[in-house]
Amino acid sequence: RKEVEQDPGPFNVPEGATVAFNCTYSNSASQSFFWYRQDCRKEPKLLMSVYSSGNEDGRFTAQLNRASQYISLLIRDSKLSDSATYLCVVNMGGNTPLVFGKGTRLSVIA
Amino acid sequence: EAQVTQNPRYLITVTGKKLTVTCSQNMNHEYMSWYRQDPGLGLRQIYYSMNVEVTDKGDVPEGYKVSRKEKRNFPLILESPSPNQTSLYFCASSFRGAREQFFGPGTRLTVL
Repeated sequence: RKEVEQDPGPFNVPEGATVAFNCTYSNSASQSFFWYRQDCRKEPKLLMSVYSSGNEDGRFTAQLNRASQYISLLIRDSKLSDSATYLCVVNMGGNTPLVFGKGTRLSVIA
Repeated sequence: EAQVTQNPRYLITVTGKKLTVTCSQNMNHEYMSWYRQDPGLGLRQIYYSMNVEVTDKGDVPEGYKVSRKEKRNFPLILESPSPNQTSLYFCASSFRGAREQFFGPGTRLTVL
């Protein structure tokens, strides 16, 4: 079983739509969770960390379910500029490397 | 400006011709890493370094070498490149134990 699994998409949604991505991780000892965003042919950049209590940053909401070992990202009122690949990232803590999912591609259409 | 730089950004080479991709960061980060990204396979870690003179293999180290003689630099060396090393390569850095990794702009390598 892969360590971090995501639906690759693509998700094609109209502007203004709400879209949700899920990600599952296999290692129950994982401690830190993140969503990164990667634009086409560009480097990944941190979008937001994911906290146990859930957290929100503007139109973006991240949730963590440790019991089921999944992480979600909700984007409300989608904009054209949200079109990108969203990478789910997990870390076991300490000095261990980040583990990246393969990403979910989102296209927001006018 | 805080950044991770990579050079070259684009490279076309031939099988067997040794090459080095440089990576440099100006944020005094201890941790540096190299990834390759291929369609359908996502980001895969090649090598990483926790600090100067400390390097470890990632998931796909075969055919690559690295060195960390200085804190700011982490070059990726392909001693004898082969076509299956055609890929998009990213260097990244962070403080040890940090939540955020900063990525370089990427190097697109084609091996003919």
